[in-house]
Amino acid sequence: QQQVKQSPQSLIVQKGGISIINCAYENTAFDYFPWYQQFPGKGPALLIAIRPDVSEKKEGRFTISFNKSAKQFSLHIMDSQPGDSATYFCAAMGSGSARQLTFGSGTQLTVLP
Amino acid sequence: NAGVTQTPKFQVLKTGQSMTLQCAQDMNHEYMSWYRQDPGMGLRLIHYSVGAGITDQGEVPNGYNVSRSTTEDFPLRLLSAAPSQTSVYFCASSYLEWGHRGRVRETQYFGPGTRLLVL
Repeated sequence: QQQVKQSPQSLIVQKGGISIINCAYENTAFDYFPWYQQFPGKGPALLIAIRPDVSEKKEGRFTISFNKSAKQFSLHIMDSQPGDSATYFCAAMGSGSARQLTFGSGTQLTVLP
Repeated sequence: NAGVTQTPKFQVLKTGQSMTLQCAQDMNHEYMSWYRQDPGMGLRLIHYSVGAGITDQGEVPNGYNVSRSTTEDFPLRLLSAAPSQTSVYFCASSYLEWGHRGRVRETQYFGPGTRLLVL
């Protein structure tokens, strides 16, 4: 059972456009929602994260929007650049000592020059 | 700091062979974990450890063993390789930051991965 569903699977955006990736979760015990960026041949790297007590978090061109009632969160990349071309994973973590991350299936983003 | 290192980078095994994937971190992180990455399935947790001497199973533990004798090292052992274990394996260690309202940020640092092919 996939606890974090991510869409779309792939996304093509023109340079300067807005990239939007969506995730939905089922487990209401999740209380930490990070996004990871992965370039080919590399391990994932933390991009931005949000806790459910806020509805939005912005870091530079990257923004997470969070809707607790709908159990959905999304990543917005403003002014998308070719260097943003990568695979993006949403994830969720529950409270407690286990600190296990549950990942979405990933979105391959291509930003055209 | 070297961060999280993994060896080997690439390995080919025959069905039934065993091997150990090495993982080491020099950041003094207590929490370490192993994931496998398969196309269209994201990363799935195999095993994790909350500190030296403590390990537990993740989502897909069958066919894998781990141990954590030191804070730095967290090897993953494939007991009898099967073609279904063909995947890219990532080791990670994490750092937890706390604020006055609870957990602020959990940063998992991933290694570069080991690409495993089981024939």
